[in-house]
Amino acid sequence: GAVVSQHPSRVICKSGTSVKIECRSLDFQATTMFWYRQFPKQSLMLMATSNEGSKATYEQGVEKDKFLINHASLTLSTLTVTSAHPEDSSFYICSARDRYRGQETQYFGPGTRLLVL
Amino acid sequence: AQSVAQPEDQVNVAEGNPLTVKCTYSVSGNPYLFWYVQYPNRGLQFLLKYITGDNLVKGSYGFEAEFNKSQTSFHLKKPSALVSDSALYFCAVRDMGRRALTFGSGTRLQVQP
Repeated sequence: GAVVSQHPSRVICKSGTSVKIECRSLDFQATTMFWYRQFPKQSLMLMATSNEGSKATYEQGVEKDKFLINHASLTLSTLTVTSAHPEDSSFYICSARDRYRGQETQYFGPGTRLLVL
Repeated sequence: AQSVAQPEDQVNVAEGNPLTVKCTYSVSGNPYLFWYVQYPNRGLQFLLKYITGDNLVKGSYGFEAEFNKSQTSFHLKKPSALVSDSALYFCAVRDMGRRALTFGSGTRLQVQP
């Protein structure tokens, strides 16, 4: 149980295009999902907290107009990188908290590697 | 503000030997502490957590961690290392306000056969 999927696993795009990343909780409901970013050989940095049915909460320094988050249902959150640039290239990881079980534990997706040319 | 420190970038240990990956934390209030493992190009896998109760927490794959309040530490341990344990390990503390996790910088564990 407690499986989180991400799609796509890897994406290469041209500078200026937009990329959508999906995060799904497959066997549980998640009122809250988190989006992290990880640079090579570095730790995870929280970008934003995604709340089902309401606006996401962004961390300081994260542009909400550039990283659009939509949490439309209890099992799906999407992160859209708008007008992507090479500096947006990174490993994006989502996590989700089970609504009914052990809310202290976050379950992580496998990550999406974005490369912007 | 809360923080997590993993003082070792890399830990090397021979297969069959005990391993320890160090973690210290700084929070206000009672800490919720976690260990995660990351394999190359993969997301994080949950190993164990400390919320309350016994200071020695047992988790997945034979790992355990000891919560030490006086030393503000939460070191990860395993009695006998396996080559397959080689990976990147992250210690994390839950932010009581935002409910998100603050991660340490990670420690690469290399187990030599």
